[in-house]
Amino acid sequence: KAGVTQTPRYLIKTRGQQVTLSCSPISGHRSVSWYQQTPGQGLQFLFEYFSETQRNKGNFPGRFSGRQFSNSRSEMNVSTLELGDSALYLCASSSTSGTTGELFFGEGSRLTVL
Amino acid sequence: AQTVTQSQPEMSVQEAETVTLSCTYDTSENNYYLFWYKQPPSRQMILVIRQEAYKQQNATENRFSVNFQKAAKSFSLKISDSQLGDTAMYFCAFMKQAAGGTSYGKLTFGQGTILTVHP
Repeated sequence: KAGVTQTPRYLIKTRGQQVTLSCSPISGHRSVSWYQQTPGQGLQFLFEYFSETQRNKGNFPGRFSGRQFSNSRSEMNVSTLELGDSALYLCASSSTSGTTGELFFGEGSRLTVL
Repeated sequence: AQTVTQSQPEMSVQEAETVTLSCTYDTSENNYYLFWYKQPPSRQMILVIRQEAYKQQNATENRFSVNFQKAAKSFSLKISDSQLGDTAMYFCAFMKQAAGGTSYGKLTFGQGTILTVHP
């Protein structure tokens, strides 16, 4: 079974631009979560989607948004990029039942904002 | 809100020896999960071990075991017979168990402990 796939793996943007990151969960997983990882702030929860609905949201500004499609694939978008948005963005999926609480992570998309 | 604290930024251990990573957390919840995740350099994060708060018995997975002290809100990870492949950043994480036994994908992570295993 294929793991969580994130694209692109690396990207460079300039301040003010926007970026879209994509995540394909493990087959059969309907929950997708997004995390931002930086050296200073560590790992922080962005949001979680289940069946195309956002169920949970972290404390990030409105420039960070996401969506989930009917096939459970998810995208996150960051508009008006700032230097501080440079980070590793991790996507994780979990099974429909969610009874174990276990998340399966992708390798991440490393965003550099210049 | 939950907080997770890992007080050891870096640890090192000799191959084949035992090492313990510390984690404390703060929550008012009664039903939750605790996890240790491992993030090797430039590789994806993987689950090492998981503990459900209602279980008193400490979880074990091969060379990995935890010491879960619910009253003290402590959750340490013991790695026995350390191997070079154990070199990684280790994160302690908390997840609230939502109603109906499901969870909503939100992990609260500690700051991580970099573990280096020396040959």
